[in-house]
This record gives sequence, C-alpha cells and structure tokens, in this order.
Amino acid sequence: KQEVTQIPAALSVPEGENLVLNCSFTDSAIYNLQWFRQDPGKGLTSLLLIQSSQREQTSGRLNASLDKSSGRSTLYIAASQPGDSATYLCAVRRNAGNMLTFGGGTRLMVKP
Amino acid sequence: DAGITQSPRHKVTETGTPVTLRCHQTENHRYMYWYRQDPGHGLRLIHYSYGVKDTDKGEVSDGYSVSRSKTEDFLLTLESATSSQTSVYFCAIRESVSGANVLTFGAGSRLTVL
Repeated sequence: KQEVTQIPAALSVPEGENLVLNCSFTDSAIYNLQWFRQDPGKGLTSLLLIQSSQREQTSGRLNASLDKSSGRSTLYIAASQPGDSATYLCAVRRNAGNMLTFGGGTRLMVKP
Repeated sequence: DAGITQSPRHKVTETGTPVTLRCHQTENHRYMYWYRQDPGHGLRLIHYSYGVKDTDKGEVSDGYSVSRSKTEDFLLTLESATSSQTSVYFCAIRESVSGANVLTFGAGSRLTVL
C-alpha cells in the first residue's frame, strides 16, 4: 500500500526566504505526482504536476522535483511571501487510473 | 473551482440521520470523485465515478454510497451518519491539462455529526 509522508508538518519562515517542502512515498512505481495548495477553509488548488518520466516542473517561483528511485519529491519556493502561507499537499497517482494517495500536508506560514 | 459546486457547504446533523452531499459540475467531465479530509489522515478517496451509473469504491467507502444519474451530478449519501463521519468532504473532477490528467477540487463541505 502506498504511503505518502510530508515533513515537516508545519513550517514558519520570515518573508523572503527560499524554502523546500519535502514529500516521500513508499512505492516508487508511480504514474505522476501532483502538488496542491490549500488555504484555510478552502478547496485544493493544483500547483504542479510531474509525470513519472520527468525530473522537475516549474511555475513562477515554484519548482517541483521528482526522484522516483528514492521515493522523494521536493517543492522549492523562491523568495517566499506572506501570500504563500497555506497548507501544501503532495499526492501520487499509482497508475493512469484514478487513485491519488495524499500526504498529510505541510502548513506553511510566511511572516512579514 | 473549475465549475464545481458542492452543497451544502456546511451541515450539522445528528447520529443516525441520513445525509446527502451533492457535487455539481458544468464542464461535462467524465470522472468525478469524493474525498474526505481529516487531521492526521490527509485526503482519502471514498468513491469515484467514471461515467453515468458507473461508480467504484475508494479506500474508505464503508458507510457511504454514491449515485451518478447524470453527468453533471455526483451524490454522496451517508445512510445513517455516525460521529466518525464528521469531516470535510471534497468533490473533484479529472481534467486534462497540457495533456496530463489532473484533479481539480471543489471548495468542500464541512459535515458535523453530533
């Protein structure tokens, strides 16, 4: 059974710092990995999707990397801003079908 | 929310009562999902649908049933709600973005079972 872990569970940083959020998964046979953002009381917003054949994806100040063999993905946020404060979740898909397995999330607070 | 509407957004009910949550989408997506989100467990798949009248179980389907009588609506029913079903429920659709299948979520429905 796939298990996805995100460490740390919570993170507080001053504005302007570059930071890395970690996601690890136990079964390396994945189809793709998706990073989401969730604001308090809101739904999930998709940030980046990395296919199993890819090493990284970038969108603005966000960069997600994938190392399938070691079962790890990182989300790099450059020059963090208070508006980046949210919970970040990673999820892996085991095949082209439907099952997404989520990590517990990292709650990020960026202080002005 | 990519045309996804969940209702009700908040509900408080008593143990043993039936509850139905509705997910409505306007973009004719084939795949729809129901997840629940709980502290310490992340999001877990309850049921999903791959077309009208076509549904299947997820990892936490006990105590839940679903129906999809038309493309735009996916209903989640708790026949007899229990306190362990207090949670935030998210509906999602699967859409193709730049050739990749991604999930897009609704805003969630917070259910409290007393």
